[in-house]
Amino acid sequence: EIVLTQSPGTLSLSPGERATLSCRASQSVSSSYLAWYQQKPGQAPRLLIYGASSRATGIPDRFSGSGSGTDFTLTISRLEPEDFAVYYCQQYGSSERTFGQGTKVEIK
Amino acid sequence: EVQLVESGGGLVKPGGSLRLSCAASGFTFSSYSMNWVRQAPGKGLEWVSSISSSSSYIYYADSVKGRFTISRDNAKNSLYLQMNSLRAEDTAVYYCARDSCSGGSCSLDYWGQGTLVTVSS
Repeated sequence: EIVLTQSPGTLSLSPGERATLSCRASQSVSSSYLAWYQQKPGQAPRLLIYGASSRATGIPDRFSGSGSGTDFTLTISRLEPEDFAVYYCQQYGSSERTFGQGTKVEIK
Repeated sequence: EVQLVESGGGLVKPGGSLRLSCAASGFTFSSYSMNWVRQAPGKGLEWVSSISSSSSYIYYADSVKGRFTISRDNAKNSLYLQMNSLRAEDTAVYYCARDSCSGGSCSLDYWGQGTLVTVSS
């Protein structure tokens, strides 16, 4: 089973700042099968990035994904007030879909 | 518009059973694999189970294997999760989510709002 480890656990930043979130896999993951989700309190997760770097429909271009192999990154270029939330990476395996433990982006 | 609406959650005693449903609309349900994902209070997301479009392929997380059964009825555009031998650690919001594989990339592109299952005596 592939384990995804996200860091940091919490990121304290101000609006307008850049956020860099990391997702490390215990073994190599195909970029095609790495996704990122955003979740706000009381809401369902929302797909942000699929295929490691492709933005989902309606996702602003301040969100970008990169990486390959075991190291992946979600970058939010300039934080807007609505971006403060929890972010999860996820790998889509042949027989399972594994999530990282999440990174909370909070207002500093 | 794609919609996924879960139902069937509630309070159940340890060792009890519950059946969750997810009603799908706005897309050709029979063409997509579907998933159940859960989230314990204050915790992260945990994938529970997946079922392929024709029910040919079914997978479970180790934590629920042998206790939970995923199924679907394509004629009714519905996904189900039969949960038996429930434990306190199964307490969570349960989401249904659609698999999407496009251009060689796969993800869970649409999610329902979830249904809360509480296992407590």
